[in-house]
Amino acid sequence: EAGVAQSPRYKIIEKRQSVAFWCNPISGHATLYWYQQILGQGPKLLIQFQNNGVVDDSQLPKDRFSAERLKGVDSTLKIQPAKLEDSAVYLCASSLAGATDTQYFGPGTRLTVL
Amino acid sequence: AQSVSQHNHHVILSEAASLELGCNYSYGGTVNLFWYVQYPGQHLQLLLKYFSGDPLVKGIKGFEAEFIKSKFSFNLRKPSVQWSDTAEYFCAVRENTGFQKLVFGTGTRLLVSP
Repeated sequence: EAGVAQSPRYKIIEKRQSVAFWCNPISGHATLYWYQQILGQGPKLLIQFQNNGVVDDSQLPKDRFSAERLKGVDSTLKIQPAKLEDSAVYLCASSLAGATDTQYFGPGTRLTVL
Repeated sequence: AQSVSQHNHHVILSEAASLELGCNYSYGGTVNLFWYVQYPGQHLQLLLKYFSGDPLVKGIKGFEAEFIKSKFSFNLRKPSVQWSDTAEYFCAVRENTGFQKLVFGTGTRLLVSP
């Protein structure tokens, strides 16, 4: 069974530039999550989708971060404009149905903002 | 707000030593508890989980964890570690109400020397 796919794996940008990350969840998984993991910390949930609807985006900095999940499958997370403190690993995870199911994580995208 | 504490940030053990990693959480209601592991260069993956029932939970690779409700703790144990257990270990807690989001601790880096 294919796992959660993410691209790119690494990205280096300068502050004030924009960047986008892509996630393809496990086939058939209805719920998709984006997490931010800053060095030395645990993953922090940014946004959760159920199919193509947002369930929880309370911790998403909406002035610069946006995410969408068109057609309830793939998802993109965008940062515009990036700040130095956005340097982190961005993890995508998916689960079969709702939040009570096991979450499966992708390899992450390591973002460095200079 | 709910929080998860992992008091040991770095642990160094010799092979065959016993392991116990601490995890405490702050939420007073019903919770689900998880331990995730990230081996070098690999994705975050589920080690074990507790939803209800027997508070002693067994996971993969000989790991187990005990839920002690009165102490708000979910410590991870392994009687005899191997070099291949070198990894970062994350405790996570999910409330059974509201958005049911997963909240992670800051992680413990385990180094097992051969």
